Amino acid sequence: GAGVSQSPRYKVAKRGQDVALRCDPISGHVSLFWYQQALGQGPEFLTYFQNEAQLDKSGLPSDRFFAERPEGSVSTLKIQRTQQEDSAVYLCASSLVLGFASGGESTDTQYFGPGTRLTVL
Amino acid sequence: AQTVTQSQPEMSVQEAETVTLSCTYDTSESDYYLFWYKQPPSRQMILVIRQEAYKQQNATENRFSVNFQKAAKSFSLKISDSQLGDAAMYFCAQYGNKLVFGAGTILRVKS
Repeated sequence: GAGVSQSPRYKVAKRGQDVALRCDPISGHVSLFWYQQALGQGPEFLTYFQNEAQLDKSGLPSDRFFAERPEGSVSTLKIQRTQQEDSAVYLCASSLVLGFASGGESTDTQYFGPGTRLTVL
Repeated sequence: AQTVTQSQPEMSVQEAETVTLSCTYDTSESDYYLFWYKQPPSRQMILVIRQEAYKQQNATENRFSVNFQKAAKSFSLKISDSQLGDAAMYFCAQYGNKLVFGAGTILRVKS
């Protein structure tokens, strides 16, 4: 079956422009996650959705970053007034069940998309 | 706070030999999961192996196995019979209430 897809794969923006990055999760996956990966680093958590509800946005670096998942499937990460420090690979991941391990609830593996490489000039 | 440390920025292994990648972590969660992900140059993050912290038995997946030492908060990955296709960046990750990654280890496989 189809995996997680992301578009565009590459995006070049001039400083100050707004960008929108799209994620199509695996069909039927309830949980969706966004990560930011700087060059040579591990991914860092940005935000998490369960269906259409954004349950955790603690990793968003500033109020210029906004994510939505209005119908509980496709998600968009929007960055307003891009800055050079926003240059990174943005990864999307989805999983089948609720993503919390504590409290006896089960968690499932997160499956990642290929990422969008954003370069801000 | 959750932290994951991979102390080996780069490792090399001869084809067909065995290599071990190190990972230590810190968490206040009592229930959590540990993962090793592989990221080839194409950038797609691929799950290699996962371990539930409440299980004492070490996870294995074909040529990949882990040495999970819960008291020491250590989670190393052993790759046996290394193949050229194993060359990639390997990330250790811990999931308590969010997935936290280490900085990664580049694995080079020599033919």
